[in-house]
Amino acid sequence: AQSVTQPDIHITVSEGASLELRCNYSYGATPYLFWYVQSPGQGLQLLLKYFSGDTLVQGIKGFEAEFKRSQSSFNLRKPSVHWSDAAEYFCAVGSWGAQKLVFGQGTRLTINP
Amino acid sequence: DTAVSQTPKYLVTQMGNDKSIKCEQNLGHDTMYWYKQDSKKFLKIMFSYNNKELIINETVPNRFSPKSPDKAHLNLHINSLELGDSAVYFCASSPQSSGGYTDTQYFGPGTRLTVL
Repeated sequence: AQSVTQPDIHITVSEGASLELRCNYSYGATPYLFWYVQSPGQGLQLLLKYFSGDTLVQGIKGFEAEFKRSQSSFNLRKPSVHWSDAAEYFCAVGSWGAQKLVFGQGTRLTINP
Repeated sequence: DTAVSQTPKYLVTQMGNDKSIKCEQNLGHDTMYWYKQDSKKFLKIMFSYNNKELIINETVPNRFSPKSPDKAHLNLHINSLELGDSAVYFCASSPQSSGGYTDTQYFGPGTRLTVL
């Protein structure tokens, strides 16, 4: 069965600083990987996804993520965060044949002015 | 122009009551889902429907009954509400993937259910 671990429950960074949110997955075959963002009181919005091909994927709002099969990781990065990036970030894994996503427990991002 | 909408946004009710949450998507997707997000923000799938047919039922108590009158709607009815049912419930939809893989899911704004 698939599983996703986001090791950091809460991260605080200063505005303008770089950001990396960690995601590790467990799945026997090629995973389909997603990052979603949830702003307070809102639903989840897709930031980016990896299905195949180039292991560095670009998303919306200046985010990118890199798939590393050898490390079973799909870390999310942004070179310079803005106060509006404060939110909950979820990594998720899908799989072949299963029409569902398995989510990590989320990382709450706080931005210091 | 909301893609996935849910009603109501907030629901406060007493233990033992029966309530429903409605979901509609205007994306033309074939597959719809219900997720439960608990107080620790953990998201877990409950049900999935494809073209009105139930395809995933993740060990949810049978007090929860999804109903899909057509592929654009997936409603969730909950009988005999319990305190532990308090959570945020998200509806989502995705296109039918021809290749058998999990495609992108589009989420509604959520319904915050509080059981007193």
